[in-house]
Amino acid sequence: GEDVEQSLFLSVREGDSSVINCTYTDSSSTYLYWYKQEPGAGLQLLTYIFSNMDMKQDQRLTVLLNKKDKHLSLRIADTQTGDSAIYFCAEIPTGFQKLVFGTGTRLL
Amino acid sequence: NAGVTQTPKFQVLKTGQSMTLQCAQDMNHEYMSWYRQDPGMGLRLIHYSVGAGITDQGEVPNGYNVSRSTTEDFPLRLLSAAPSQTSVYFCASSPLGQTQYFGPGTRLLVL
Repeated sequence: GEDVEQSLFLSVREGDSSVINCTYTDSSSTYLYWYKQEPGAGLQLLTYIFSNMDMKQDQRLTVLLNKKDKHLSLRIADTQTGDSAIYFCAEIPTGFQKLVFGTGTRLL
Repeated sequence: NAGVTQTPKFQVLKTGQSMTLQCAQDMNHEYMSWYRQDPGMGLRLIHYSVGAGITDQGEVPNGYNVSRSTTEDFPLRLLSAAPSQTSVYFCASSPLGQTQYFGPGTRLLVL
């Protein structure tokens, strides 16, 4: 299967850390991605992680990958007003060309 | 590079009308795709193409046609618009097997 699941909403206070979670069912994906969509705009690639890694840090962003549980998370440190957006996790399953998206999490 | 461009940005149609959503990219990407975004449903793949002359269906292809006569362009055609096609449409492109770059979207309202 190619289902990617996310919770729909997450609310945090400015300055706190945000953790957005994602679960997927196809463990053969080579890369897993996080996209950000600001209001009225298209999707912007935030970061990605290769499947043989379990963590990747990029400034305020930390991506954690638990392949055993098929769980991906995005942590945003020191959350700011400008981080308000919808965050999508996505994968390209091995052997496929198409990107499979989660439903998106709206960060408030 | 302009990246991925889409026109129009907004469109209102009446039921039964036809129209073409344009998508172009100047990055020489082989892969291009169309998604629709509806509240609470994420992005759903409509059609995709892995190169000029090659197209295939995604999750929700009904009511939409595509063609890929050049590497740069991947238009999406609605032959007879229905209210269920009211949505935001995104075009994306990428090198094969790599992450995708998205256009700004087209908001379509079908009355």
